[in-house]
Amino acid sequence: AQKITQTQPGMFVQEKEAVTLDCTYDTSDQSYGLFWYKQPSSGEMIFLIYQGSYDEQNATEGRYSLNFQKARKSANLVISASQLGDSAMYFCAMQIIKAAGNKLTFGGGTRVLVKP
Amino acid sequence: KAGVTQTPRYLIKTRGQQVTLSCSPISGHRSVSWYQQTPGQGLQFLFEYFSETQRNKGNFPGRFSGRQFSNSRSEMNVSTLELGDSALYLCASAILAGGPRGTQYFGPGTRLTVL
Repeated sequence: AQKITQTQPGMFVQEKEAVTLDCTYDTSDQSYGLFWYKQPSSGEMIFLIYQGSYDEQNATEGRYSLNFQKARKSANLVISASQLGDSAMYFCAMQIIKAAGNKLTFGGGTRVLVKP
Repeated sequence: KAGVTQTPRYLIKTRGQQVTLSCSPISGHRSVSWYQQTPGQGLQFLFEYFSETQRNKGNFPGRFSGRQFSNSRSEMNVSTLELGDSALYLCASAILAGGPRGTQYFGPGTRLTVL
């Protein structure tokens, strides 16, 4: 079975500073994808970034980067230059890449509050 | 391109009733998945449909069912509602399965309250 752990239930970050959100995962499968989603108070889950288990480079998408350390089974999200609009819940998720299925297993989430 | 749409956005039902939620995926996406989000259990996978076939199913009772139509639109049905079914139900669509093309894009959700 797969498991995602996000150990930070909540954190404050100063506007314009960088913040790192922790995510560790557990799986015996070799082929998997790791995702980060943002959920504002409106409820919609917004896709931020994807990292494949065989990708050698860390993924980046604008102000978002994923610090992927495969041996440690961690996939931390780094948000650079935080903005007030970054205040939200952030979820790390994993998908096992098999012949069938897009099932995502989610962590418990981290609530981020950006202070002006 | 329009995003994933879900209807209705809010729903109030009483115990014992049944409910049907609808999801229209992004155009060209053939995979539709459903998730339940509650404060206590977090985000849990319900099931996934691909080309009108259920491909994956989570650990939920048989009261939860779904289907997908030929145009990829999907419906989820919950029968004999219980108080614990109160949740945000999220639908997500993807082009295919696995890898970047398996990236799921979510709709705004349907918030179901069971009284």
